[in-house]
Amino acid sequence: QSVLTQPPSVSAAPGQMVTISCSGGSTNIGNNYVSWYQQFPGTAPKLLISANDKRPSGIPDRFSGSKSGTSATLGITGLQTGDEADYYCGAWDSGLSAGLFGGGTKVTVL
Amino acid sequence: QVQLQQSGPGLVKPSQTLSLTCVISGDSVSRDGTAWNWIRQSPSRGLEWLGRTYSSSNSKWRTDYAESVKSRVIINSDSSKNQFSLQLTSVTPGDTSVYYCARGLRPFYMDVWGKGTTVTVSS
Repeated sequence: QSVLTQPPSVSAAPGQMVTISCSGGSTNIGNNYVSWYQQFPGTAPKLLISANDKRPSGIPDRFSGSKSGTSATLGITGLQTGDEADYYCGAWDSGLSAGLFGGGTKVTVL
Repeated sequence: QVQLQQSGPGLVKPSQTLSLTCVISGDSVSRDGTAWNWIRQSPSRGLEWLGRTYSSSNSKWRTDYAESVKSRVIINSDSSKNQFSLQLTSVTPGDTSVYYCARGLRPFYMDVWGKGTTVTVSS
């Protein structure tokens, strides 16, 4: 059971938008930055969002991140079949002095 | 372009020590502002951060470890070989996972990942 809580799955039709939530606490999301990763089966995670809302070079602007209080959200607009993957949030926990990941959310394009 | 090349055995016997190495190209293990992480993933545990090592401002090496493995884990760096390593002692079948090395940048995110090494703990 992860300290950072994500919904197990979300789904939407092509072209639509999905949002994935990541809920934590004051020692992690509440006082530290959140990152997001995309993972396809059999491959390593790939950084999508760093520092709450920063997109690395090469990441489409269809992907966005935001944070409010002790929760963060990843948004994907203009959903494509190629976006079907698992998505994870991550954050540092100042109380534990350790890194954390959420349990992951599977995105399905209907 | 930064790349991480992982190596190590894919099969470890229970109670023995799991050892993996991650060789860095395109960056320096000693560069200020970077941390070198180990993460594992299994169906039961999901993505689990294990720990990291980094060179602090006074050139002293520091480590942070996950509470779940703190008593069994050591993460080391070797500047002469530009690599870092993971040792996990007294392994059990519960340590069976895919292990990843990754570069960490401030504030805390992993931007470059190794391909992963599947490690099975079994006699």
